[in-house]
Amino acid sequence: QLQLQESGPGLVKPSETLSLTCTVSGGSISSSTYFWGWIRQPPGKGLEWIGTIYYSGSTDYNPSLKSRVTISVDTSKNQFSLKLSSVTAADTAVYYCARQVGGNESMDVWGQGTTVIVSS
Amino acid sequence: DIQMTQSPSSLSASVGDRVTITCRASQSIGSYLNWYQQKPGKAPKLLIYVASSLQSGVPSRFSGRGSGTDFTLTISSLQPEDFATYSCQQSYSTPYTFGPGTKVEIK
Repeated sequence: QLQLQESGPGLVKPSETLSLTCTVSGGSISSSTYFWGWIRQPPGKGLEWIGTIYYSGSTDYNPSLKSRVTISVDTSKNQFSLKLSSVTAADTAVYYCARQVGGNESMDVWGQGTTVIVSS
Repeated sequence: DIQMTQSPSSLSASVGDRVTITCRASQSIGSYLNWYQQKPGKAPKLLIYVASSLQSGVPSRFSGRGSGTDFTLTISSLQPEDFATYSCQQSYSTPYTFGPGTKVEIK
């Protein structure tokens, strides 16, 4: 059974870079059938797609965050990562990683989520 | 960006009730519409994909319909474990966008 687990600092200072890793277990991250995405949810608000990395290594980012986001994959560790630079309090959120199904891009497996607070 | 709206924003219902939630896209998205259930402090769970396909393991009381810009999620007989927030999401084009959610509460 595929599982995803986010990890990374829970507290980041303003203007610094938020870095999170999603570890995939129970399946290969290298499958061409699936893509890998990051989604966030600010406190009390709705879900926001951050970006997706495809099996080819290409990426797609939300234009609202594109200048600050980098998503990468490490197939040797079965992990993919998120970096968000120049964070502000508005980046405080629960960050989720998820598997997306190629062909319809639904998000069928999610990590449990990790809370990141931006504060000095 | 494609904007997603949902109605109602919240509803109160009793166990056994039939509940319908509506999702509307700001432009046609074909059938690229997914529904998620989220409980407090938990990750979203995929219920329905491409408008009407039931995700494996999801009870058959959940169903989805629609195409183009208008979609519905129906719970045929509400169960205690169904009290949660339901969100739609378009996967027609990036940036993928979610609706604001509909909170289903106990009456």
